[in-house]
Amino acid sequence: SQTIHQWPATLVQPVGSPLSLECTVEGTSNPNLYWYRQAAGRGLQLLFYSVGIGQISSEVPQNLSASRPQDRQFILSSKKLLLSDSGFYLCAWKVKGLTEAFFGQGTRLTVV
Amino acid sequence: AQSVTQLDSQVPVFEEAPVELRCNYSSSVSVYLFWYVQYPNQGLQLLLKYLSGSTLVKGINGFEAEFNKSQTSFHLRKPSVHISDTAEYFCAVGPLTGGGNKLTFGTGTQLKVEL
Repeated sequence: SQTIHQWPATLVQPVGSPLSLECTVEGTSNPNLYWYRQAAGRGLQLLFYSVGIGQISSEVPQNLSASRPQDRQFILSSKKLLLSDSGFYLCAWKVKGLTEAFFGQGTRLTVV
Repeated sequence: AQSVTQLDSQVPVFEEAPVELRCNYSSSVSVYLFWYVQYPNQGLQLLLKYLSGSTLVKGINGFEAEFNKSQTSFHLRKPSVHISDTAEYFCAVGPLTGGGNKLTFGTGTQLKVEL
């Protein structure tokens, strides 16, 4: 069966520090991968998606970047965090040709 | 382009009462429709989905939703809620093809079930 791992679960980082959040999927190949951010009262905002290795599409201009170095690995990064980067980050995957997306457990990022 | 509107940010309801969470969408292309549930500090879990066919869709935990094309709505219902249904509920739409099949979510509805 397919599973998705996302870590860490919580993270507190100072302003100006770098960020690396990792997401890996098991039990499937060539999935679509997604990073969402959830801020209070704003629902889920799609940040990046990837349809294959090295292919990244950015949905909104921001202080973050994403990379897909391997088929089932999706990384969210920042060189210098801002206070406004605080939020709940969710990784998701989807089998091409099927409909629903499956989500990881999320990372609660607090920038202080 | 797609958008989703969840009209109620919070819905309080007593246990064993019925509930309806509203969702309206707009899209220039044909879409699939979804409802997800999120328990505190967790990821999203799929409740149900509408792809085609019967407009009444049944999901997990006794939830159902009805697709209404003329009103572009996909409201979620449960005839009798339980304390354990307290969670945030998200409506989402996704295109049938193209664009990475990415989902667009509403802002969520917090369902609070009280004794």
